[in-house]
Amino acid sequence: GNSVTQMEGPVTLSEEAFLTINCTYTATGYPSLFWYVQYPGEGLQLLLKATKADDKGSNKGFEATYRKETTSFHLEKGSVQVSDSAVYFCALSQGGGADGLTFGKGTHLIIQP
Amino acid sequence: GAGVSQSPSNKVTEKGKDVELRCDPISGHTALYWYRQSLGQGLEFLIYFQGNSAPDKSGLPSDRFSAERTGGSVSTLTIQRTQQEDSAVYLCASSLVRDRLYNEQFFGPGTRLTVL
Repeated sequence: GNSVTQMEGPVTLSEEAFLTINCTYTATGYPSLFWYVQYPGEGLQLLLKATKADDKGSNKGFEATYRKETTSFHLEKGSVQVSDSAVYFCALSQGGGADGLTFGKGTHLIIQP
Repeated sequence: GAGVSQSPSNKVTEKGKDVELRCDPISGHTALYWYRQSLGQGLEFLIYFQGNSAPDKSGLPSDRFSAERTGGSVSTLTIQRTQQEDSAVYLCASSLVRDRLYNEQFFGPGTRLTVL
């Protein structure tokens, strides 16, 4: 079956540091890949997505590239802010998001001023 | 417009009781999804509806769990004879399914269920 593996954290960084959150997946065919974010006290929000190999998703300074050869979708940001503190979930869908999403366990990111 | 809404926001129940959780999707969204978020298991997919039918029920944890959707809109998730391991946050999401290439799921705030 499908699965997503990501570093669980917590990951603690100082403001303006470079961020990488690793995500690897197991799936058949060509899944769509997503990063969702859950800010404190808020619901899950889509951060970015990629639907085919070599696609780069980007939003709010975050980027992730769909790497089929390494089955990875690592999340990166060049300079994090305190407001980026949240839980980040990597996810995949076989049906482009029309079916149920398979999520990783989430990475708790803490940014210190 | 309004987002996905869920009720109640919190539910405390006694072991063995039945509970019903409600989800109001975004108006016009044809697909509706239920997930469970718990400390031990993370985010698990439970079931999804395309219109009023549920093509995939494989994620339901046991036969105590059931879900229905009527009129292509509101959905209820029912848990019978609740157990302590059912304690979790139950999330609902909806999407406007355009094609298989990509469909963004919009999530509600969740219902926190506590089984004593």
